[in-house]
Amino acid sequence: DTGVSQDPRHKITKRGQNVTFRCDPISEHNRLYWYRQTLGQGPEFLTYFQNEAQLEKSRLLSDRFSAERPKGSFSTLEIQRTEQGDSAMYLCASSSRETALNTEAFFGQGTRLTVV
Amino acid sequence: AQSVTQLDSQVPVFEEAPVELRCNYSSSVSVYLFWYVQYPNQGLQLLLKYLSGSTLVKGINGFEAEFNKSQTSFHLRKPSVHISDTAEYFCAATYSGAGSYQLTFGKGTKLSVIP
Repeated sequence: DTGVSQDPRHKITKRGQNVTFRCDPISEHNRLYWYRQTLGQGPEFLTYFQNEAQLEKSRLLSDRFSAERPKGSFSTLEIQRTEQGDSAMYLCASSSRETALNTEAFFGQGTRLTVV
Repeated sequence: AQSVTQLDSQVPVFEEAPVELRCNYSSSVSVYLFWYVQYPNQGLQLLLKYLSGSTLVKGINGFEAEFNKSQTSFHLRKPSVHISDTAEYFCAATYSGAGSYQLTFGKGTKLSVIP
């Protein structure tokens, strides 16, 4: 078990382009989260999957953002028509039904997005 | 909305000195609290967590935290810091009504250990 992995680690894109990030959770973890962390701030919740179902979305997740988790394994986060304000670290986390209160989340190393 | 407040954005401390990083949360009937550490350009690593039971929680790397319900605080402490403790520390909370158990984070405290 290699932990939560995210790809790419860094992405530089021009404003208006679309980008897609991938997250591979710890195997058999049924819960998957996306967070966004801007400079000088703590991570902010974006969305949550239980297996393949997207059960919760933050108001931060505008219409330009879409997340999927086909087959309840890896997840992708796509941002369309990127804006400079989208520049941030995007963190993925997963947790297992097996933990005592399903609350311990394991984080990936993040994808740092820079929109120029 | 639930909130987590970290009162200090930066804390400088000399090596081998004690340190306390402060965290307050908005009151809730059932709250679960966490401290995470983040090294530059890395993800978050769990230091310790409070779910229930004993209010003094011990974590990795010699850190501990005390849950204080009356003061709605969960301060992180270490009796003697090392250079390697230089990092950013985040306090986080989740609540039994959250459903997803999504985490609400504070803004973080940058700990700088001075040789």
